[in-house]
Amino acid sequence: QKEVEQDPGPLSVPEGAIVSLNCTYSNSAFQYFMWYRQYSRKGPELLMYTYSSGNKEDGRFTAQVDKSSKYISLFIRDSQPSDSATYLCAWGTGGGNKLTFGTGTQLKVEL
Amino acid sequence: NAGVTQTPKFRVLKTGQSMTLLCAQDMNHEYMYWYRQDPGMGLRLIHYSVGEGTTAKGEVPDGYNVSRLKKQNFLLGLESAAPSQTSVYFCASSSRSGGYQPQHFGDGTRLSIL
Repeated sequence: QKEVEQDPGPLSVPEGAIVSLNCTYSNSAFQYFMWYRQYSRKGPELLMYTYSSGNKEDGRFTAQVDKSSKYISLFIRDSQPSDSATYLCAWGTGGGNKLTFGTGTQLKVEL
Repeated sequence: NAGVTQTPKFRVLKTGQSMTLLCAQDMNHEYMYWYRQDPGMGLRLIHYSVGEGTTAKGEVPDGYNVSRLKKQNFLLGLESAAPSQTSVYFCASSSRSGGYQPQHFGDGTRLSIL
């Protein structure tokens, strides 16, 4: 079993839709939970991160973590064409600040 | 503030050739990382460094060497390039402050081995 499983996509939605992106993980040692956004031919950029179970909101983005089910989600409200990118979930354990990444979900928001 | 800068941006090599990828950061970060990104595989850690003069192996270190002679620079070397090393390589850096600190990425080096 892979340490991190992420919906492969690609996902295509109309502008204004609510988007749900999901990842599951198997390593109970993971302590930090992150979402990175990667535009085409660019490096990943941190979108959100959290240490604990529950929801964290930042503008149109909400990160949800369920440690008991080993499941994290990213919700995007009122999606915009500028949200079209690949979204990577990631986890950290603290030692050396290393991260384990999901394979990414490609999102396209159409006009 | 440039953040993390990778050079070169593109390179084509022949099998068996060697080359060095350069990563430079201007954020005074202690930690630096090299990843490769392949379709369907996500980002995989090659080597990382927790400070000047130190390096450690990541998930996929074989065929690569690294050096961190200066705090702001992290070099990734391919001694004898193989087609399996065709990939996009990303460098990242992060602070060592208490708790988790986000990694900041460069825009990648696209490397093709023929």
